[in-house]
Amino acid sequence: GAVVSQHPSRVICKSGTSVKIECRSLDFQATTMFWYRQFPKQSLMLMATSNEGSKATYEQGVEKDKFLINHASLTLSTLTVTSAHPEDSSFYICSAYDTYTEAFFGQGTRLTVV
Amino acid sequence: RKEVEQDPGPFNVPEGATVAFNCTYSNSASQSFFWYRQDCRKEPKLLMSVYSSGNEDGRFTAQLNRASQYISLLIRDSKLSDSATYLCAVNGRGRTDSWGKFQFGAGTQVVVTP
Repeated sequence: GAVVSQHPSRVICKSGTSVKIECRSLDFQATTMFWYRQFPKQSLMLMATSNEGSKATYEQGVEKDKFLINHASLTLSTLTVTSAHPEDSSFYICSAYDTYTEAFFGQGTRLTVV
Repeated sequence: RKEVEQDPGPFNVPEGATVAFNCTYSNSASQSFFWYRQDCRKEPKLLMSVYSSGNEDGRFTAQLNRASQYISLLIRDSKLSDSATYLCAVNGRGRTDSWGKFQFGAGTQVVVTP
């Protein structure tokens, strides 16, 4: 089946620094990818829709200047958490779909800001 | 009210028993429904799609009740390996949402005991 690869799987950074997370579709082209965030014991919350070649669409309450999304090619979307703070510590996960039948998820990135 | 709601559980199930749980959704225009399985600290993996006519995959049965706006998942002959959190996902494609843009429930935890 289609594979979505996310990197890194785990990152620890200092408060105030920026972290970039990559999401790649390995065997299909994805014009649209989605970024989610999941806090412990909570649901995955959609943060933004990443569109290849255009600006991302952010969900209400998500700061677009803090969570920079770039979808420069049909196989790569990146999420950069800028000036990270401890409250940004979470599980970030991307998804993409290749057909109208199933969305595939990356392995997720566990971000810890210390 | 949350768009998608689930009983968080945990549902403690003896091995071999049957367990069932629901997921309610608020958007009556929702078009597609899915059950995902999420193991601790891992990405969600598609368990099954939910069709209007209901569908069965081995020990798993999914049902959709549009009138009452809920979907259900039933697990028969529970195995220890069924222990996980089960997320329902709803795609509001009827509202011009992109395919793959899911609203997730917070998940129902199932613990199968020997």
